[in-house]
Amino acid sequence: EVQLVESGGNVVRPGGSLRLSCAASGFTFDDFGMSWVRQAPGKGLEWVSTINWNGDITTYADSMKGRFTISRDNAKNSLYLQMNSLRAEDTAFYHCAKCSSTSCYYFRYWGQGTLVTVSS
Amino acid sequence: EIVMTQSPATLSVSPGERATLSCRASQSVSSDLAWYQQKPGQAPRLLIYGASTRATGFPARFSGSGSGTEFTLTISSLQSEDFAVYYCQQYNNWPRTFGQGTKVEIK
Repeated sequence: EVQLVESGGNVVRPGGSLRLSCAASGFTFDDFGMSWVRQAPGKGLEWVSTINWNGDITTYADSMKGRFTISRDNAKNSLYLQMNSLRAEDTAFYHCAKCSSTSCYYFRYWGQGTLVTVSS
Repeated sequence: EIVMTQSPATLSVSPGERATLSCRASQSVSSDLAWYQQKPGQAPRLLIYGASTRATGFPARFSGSGSGTEFTLTISSLQSEDFAVYYCQQYNNWPRTFGQGTKVEIK
């Protein structure tokens, strides 16, 4: 059974930093691309970032480019999101998602999410 | 960026009735279209990919159709467990973009 468990969400002040983690199990981690998708409370889904199977290729939504860094450790079956220069509008649940293939088309499995609140 | 527009925002349907949800892309995405179901307090679940292929675990009452810019998700006979929010997502281009969602509620 595929399991994706996010952690690291917290309350942080504007301009602050946070590192999210996602522990994956139930599948061969380095066979798949991975992504982060966020959802502001009560709102819709917004793609954040994707990393391919071996970490060579990363893509970001424009509003996160230069502030967020996605990475993975295939030896630990883990995905990460380093978030810097956080803004109030980054407040959301951040979901880890297993992609459909080695790169990423659609999101086959999702974690429950971890809540990031940016507030002074 | 490809903008995905879903309609209606809310659909009120009685159990046993048919529900038809629409998703429109601002430019052609071929058949690179997925649908997700999200229930309150839960993570989204992949429902349809390739515009019309049902994901594992969903019954045949769910069907997807369309290509290019116009897509439809049909639930042929709504069951109580189908009341949820449904999102479409295109994967023809970066950035991956979602529609704003359609909430299917009990009439």
